[in-house]
This record gives sequence, C-alpha cells and structure tokens, in this order.
Amino acid sequence: GAVVSQHPSRVICKSGTSVKIECRSLDFQATTMFWYRQFPKQSLMLMATSNEGSKATYEQGVEKDKFLINHASLTLSTLTVTSAHPEDSSFYICSYLLTDRDTQYFGPGTRLTVL
Amino acid sequence: GQQVMQIPQYQHVQEGEDFTTYCNSSTTLSNIQWYKQRPGGHPVFLIQLVKSGEVKKQKRLTFQFGEAKKNSSLHITATQTTDVGTYFCAGLEGNNRLAFGKGNQVVVIP
Repeated sequence: GAVVSQHPSRVICKSGTSVKIECRSLDFQATTMFWYRQFPKQSLMLMATSNEGSKATYEQGVEKDKFLINHASLTLSTLTVTSAHPEDSSFYICSYLLTDRDTQYFGPGTRLTVL
Repeated sequence: GQQVMQIPQYQHVQEGEDFTTYCNSSTTLSNIQWYKQRPGGHPVFLIQLVKSGEVKKQKRLTFQFGEAKKNSSLHITATQTTDVGTYFCAGLEGNNRLAFGKGNQVVVIP
C-alpha cells in the first residue's frame, strides 16, 4: 500500500515554457503533501507544504508565482513550473503524509531538463 | 529550524563487510526517520524511531536512536551489492515537515 505516482517521469522543455507535474496517491487519501527538489548528488530540499483545499506554504526562497501548486483533491496535486529556465532543471519529487504513521511516501520523481 | 547532519557523506564498502552511518541533530527530535534512495530512484521509507534509546532491526540493518534523541545510527552487516544507494535520515519537525540530512552515499565494492 501507499503507492504514489508522478507524471511525467521525464520532461525536456525549452526555456520560457511552463511544465506541469502531477502527483497522485493511488491507494490512499491524504490531506497533506509536499513538493521537494533535488539537485544532483544533493539532499532533498523542501519547496512547499500543501494541504488539500488550501493555499500551499512555500519555503523561504521558493517563489510561489513561479512554482504553482494546485491541490484540489485528496489524491491529486500538481506543480507547475512557469517560464522555466535552465536553472530550474532538477529532480522534482512529491510525497504524501500518512498522519497515522507520521511518515511520508514519495513519488518516483520527475526529471526536468530545461534547454 | 532543525539542522540534521550526516557523517560520513560518502563510503566505499567492501562487499561482505559491515558499515555504520551516523545522523546528528542540533535539537532534540520527536522522531527520526531513515530513507534509502537508489541511484536514479526516489527515497523509500525504511524506518521510524520514536523512543529514546530505541533499537530496531530489519534483517541486516540495525537502527538506533540516541538516549538524548539527538542522534541516530544505521548499521548494516554483511554488505551486499543491493545496499548501494544514499541513506538519508530526517528529523520530524512540529508542522509535519521533514528536515533531511545531506545523506550518506554508499558504494559497494564487489
């Protein structure tokens, strides 16, 4: 149980375009989810915390107008990278919080390359 | 916020040998979690430790939470090639956020 999917798994786009990443919990529902970014050989950096039906809370240094989060249901959240630039190239990973276990279950990640 | 530090950052381990990776926090943790990320993969939850001095085992893996709840360790015995990857510890912050350490990248030498 606790399977999380992300789509797409890889995306290559031109500079200036927008990219939407979907994160779904397949066999459970959860109110709280997180978006992380991971640069090569580095740790996971939390970008934002999102509760279903509410506005996301962004970490310091993460632009909310650039990284748009929509969390409209208990099983689906999307992250849109607007006007992407090469420095936005990274591995984006979502996770859902299972509050009864205080643990997070991660999606497989989306590798974004901006040319 | 919490600062979670892991040492070492990199380890080369001969297959069959044992190794330990350590996690230290600047503050007392309510719980600590360990994750493993294989090369090219995503973090996978391994275990959660909550109680002071707690020790949990998963086959060849032994996890320990310090008495002061500020440090933790993961000890792996008889290392196998499948143990390759990066091991992250993470401290749970009050608002359900996880503060991840930088990870310990483990390379297994056959």
